[in-house]
Amino acid sequence: GDSVTQTEGPVTVSESESLIINCTYSATSIAYPNLFWYVRYPGEGLQLLLKVITAGQKGSSRGFEATYNKETTSFHLQKASVQESDSAVYYCALGGQGTGSKLSFGKGAKLTVSP
Amino acid sequence: DPKIIQKPKYLVAVTGSEKILICEQYLGHNAMYWYRQSAKKPLEFMFSYSYQKLMDNQTASSRFQPQSSKKNHLDLQITALKPDDSATYFCASSPQGADTGQLYFGEGSKLTVL
Repeated sequence: GDSVTQTEGPVTVSESESLIINCTYSATSIAYPNLFWYVRYPGEGLQLLLKVITAGQKGSSRGFEATYNKETTSFHLQKASVQESDSAVYYCALGGQGTGSKLSFGKGAKLTVSP
Repeated sequence: DPKIIQKPKYLVAVTGSEKILICEQYLGHNAMYWYRQSAKKPLEFMFSYSYQKLMDNQTASSRFQPQSSKKNHLDLQITALKPDDSATYFCASSPQGADTGQLYFGEGSKLTVL
């Protein structure tokens, strides 16, 4: 089946340091996977952070970036300099045309940014 | 203001009992979903509804029954509760036909079954 494996939390980083949260995927039933990062801030529901639907492309939002690498089946989330407000749970997800919005998620990585 | 309201946020139930999780969305979406995340497991898809009709069901157990009384409601009834049902249940919605993977989630209902 389709699945996502990502860095599991907790992840603790000091403010202004760089961040990488790893994500690899396996898409056995999806011909052209779409990849997503969702974020859940404290007290809120999950919300889409960024998405990339074409292999080789990079998505970016709020200073975060992720590149869709088909060769390594990876979609790592990176940020050059984190802020305390980035503290949240980050979920990598996989979907595809024809699957509707039935996404396959990872377990989530809880990021804590210390001042 | 939250656009997807889930009630209650927290609930505790005893084994064998029944609970209903409430979900209302005010985004005007016609597609609604339930996802679940148990401890140390990925967030997993349970059901999808479109125009109040069941579209997909990935939940093996009939103890989980979605109920859509109104277009913007998708409640989840869970019967004969088991400790393994302990999880956070997330309701989500999306515009109909949006095969984009962009879901809008509620804050979740955390269920603990003793």
